Amino acid sequence: KAGVTQTPRYLIKTRGQQVTLSCSPISGHRSVSWYQQTPGQGLQFLFEYFSETQRNKGNFPGRFSGRQFSNSRSEMNVSTLELGDSALYLCASSLGHSPGYTFGSGTRLTVV
Amino acid sequence: DQQVKQNSPSLSVQEGRISILNCDYTNSMFDYFLWYKKYPAEGPTFLISISSIKDKNEDGRFTVFLNKSAKHLSLHIVPSQPGDSAVYFCAASLTQGGSEKLVFGKGMKLTVNP
Repeated sequence: KAGVTQTPRYLIKTRGQQVTLSCSPISGHRSVSWYQQTPGQGLQFLFEYFSETQRNKGNFPGRFSGRQFSNSRSEMNVSTLELGDSALYLCASSLGHSPGYTFGSGTRLTVV
Repeated sequence: DQQVKQNSPSLSVQEGRISILNCDYTNSMFDYFLWYKKYPAEGPTFLISISSIKDKNEDGRFTVFLNKSAKHLSLHIVPSQPGDSAVYFCAASLTQGGSEKLVFGKGMKLTVNP
């Protein structure tokens, strides 16, 4: 079966711009989470969506937002980009029956 | 405040030997612990997990041990193979209101030399 698909794989944006990242979970998975990976902070939880509702949120500023659609696909948006937002953004999906998630390959965002 | 710590940034072992990866945590509310393996330019891949009520879980060459009193877990890989060379992340699962959140350590790079 197809895995978690994230688009685009790579993105370069300028400070102050906004960006939207997309994630298609594994078919049947209704829970989608987003994580940010940076060399200094490691993998950090952004938020989790289930049935189009945000159920959990990490400690990120309001510039980071997301949503989930009725087909479980999810988007993450970052507004007013800062240099420090450069990171690998990982999406993960789960059935919710067992611990852990299946991760996508990520979107590498570079802010210049 | 880092709730999950992997204190060693790297480990190098010979092929065929045992690799032991360590992880410490501070939050007693974690209900599962997981290990993920990550290659460059790929997302983390789930390896093995253990419930907080167990002390050992084994899957092939991979065994995870949990010492709750010490808030410590370890991943043993026996025998180590060159293909095991990757970054390994320890993660702890916190479930609240049906929502699962993973708290990750910063990772440890394992190199298995042929």
